[in-house]
Amino acid sequence: DVVMTQSPLSLPVTLGQPASISCRSSQSLVYSDGNTYLNWFQQRPGQSPRRLIYKVSNRDSGVPDRFSGSGSGTDFTLKISRVEAEDVGVYYCMQATHWPRTFGQGTKVEVK
Amino acid sequence: QVQLQESGPGLVKPSETLSLTCTVSGGSITPYSWNWVRQPPGKGLEWIGCIDYIGGTNYDPSLVSRVTISVDMSKNQFSLKLKSVTAADTAVYYCARSRSLDTWGRGTMVTVSS
Repeated sequence: DVVMTQSPLSLPVTLGQPASISCRSSQSLVYSDGNTYLNWFQQRPGQSPRRLIYKVSNRDSGVPDRFSGSGSGTDFTLKISRVEAEDVGVYYCMQATHWPRTFGQGTKVEVK
Repeated sequence: QVQLQESGPGLVKPSETLSLTCTVSGGSITPYSWNWVRQPPGKGLEWIGCIDYIGGTNYDPSLVSRVTISVDMSKNQFSLKLKSVTAADTAVYYCARSRSLDTWGRGTMVTVSS
């Protein structure tokens, strides 16, 4: 299985400040069709997960532009340019290149 | 806008079979793939498996001996069966659409207990 390793696992942030989450995979996530199937999800307290970013850097409809995804191969990053109160929750990366699909452990974003 | 809704018993006895259904509304089962994901209390997300609209399946190796996912296109539904459950299978179970899990249901809590 492809192991997805997120860091940090806990991220205290100051409102209005930037935040960054790293996700590393144990194998390259480049698929044979040339796409890299790395997704980011947000799970607010008490809610189901919501996809924010797909194929590394494509923001879903309705996702604020303060969220951005980047990276390639085995090394990926989710950035929040200015954290707002509604961004509190747990963020997961997930690879959909290899079977079985695998998630990172999750990064808990909380306000300092 | 497509919506997913999980349904099934909230309590299952140890050694019995957990059965859940995900109903897709506002859209068609085709041409997507459909996933089951679970989240034990206080823990992270675990991918269980998926099925495409023609019935092809893939499962997590740790569950493959116990899990079956099926699709009923006539009802716009897909289902999960997990047999021989134990307390470790207690979790919120989610259904989600597509390779990249673009749409999720609200989840349903399943407790395994006698």
